[in-house]
Amino acid sequence: DAGITQSPRHKVTETGTPVTLRCHQTENHRYMYWYRQDPGHGLRLIHYSYGVKDTDKGEVSDGYSVSRSKTEDFLLTLESATSSQTSVYFCAISANQRDEQYFGPGTRLTVT
Amino acid sequence: QKEVEQDPGPLSVPEGAIVSLNCTYSNSAFQYFMWYRQYSRKGPELLMYTYSSGNKEDGRFTAQVDKSSKYISLFIRDSQPSDSATYLCASVSGSARQLTFGSGTQLTVLP
Repeated sequence: DAGITQSPRHKVTETGTPVTLRCHQTENHRYMYWYRQDPGHGLRLIHYSYGVKDTDKGEVSDGYSVSRSKTEDFLLTLESATSSQTSVYFCAISANQRDEQYFGPGTRLTVT
Repeated sequence: QKEVEQDPGPLSVPEGAIVSLNCTYSNSAFQYFMWYRQYSRKGPELLMYTYSSGNKEDGRFTAQVDKSSKYISLFIRDSQPSDSATYLCASVSGSARQLTFGSGTQLTVLP
């Protein structure tokens, strides 16, 4: 298995609170991605990174921000969580932009 | 219209059946095609990765790409209960930095 961990694995939080999810990799891959997965929508890209301090928006980036200060860590922040952000969040990594992506175990976030 | 369309199912088959999972795509720039398998409450894992039209076989799994009709297929021979999962197709163009996923097909193989 690719060395990808996500923390926390489960979180319940209240509307309006900030939340940060962490993705950590041990593969030294250049690309890192954050997706959310919801019934009927499949995997939707939130943000991705193509190097340290290099990030770009995905399909559903509103309400989310990211940071990557080290190759191995990619953080996803919900500045003020809303109930619509209740979802399962997956981190993925790839060596190059067209290579296969390897996924982490996911974080199940519930915003009440 | 989504760039990658996939029938969500659910699809239920008896053990030993041949399973056909399909996706269509609309972006002519897509060149690379992947199939992922996702077990319940787990992250997706790569099953097959193909480039260009044609077939690629790996054990009981065959991935087929028809660029002329923009059609992607995954065939599973001698299906097993352990194949029960959600299958996601994905595509990417040569210049893009992100994959486009289908919404997934839920498969159940009955013993």
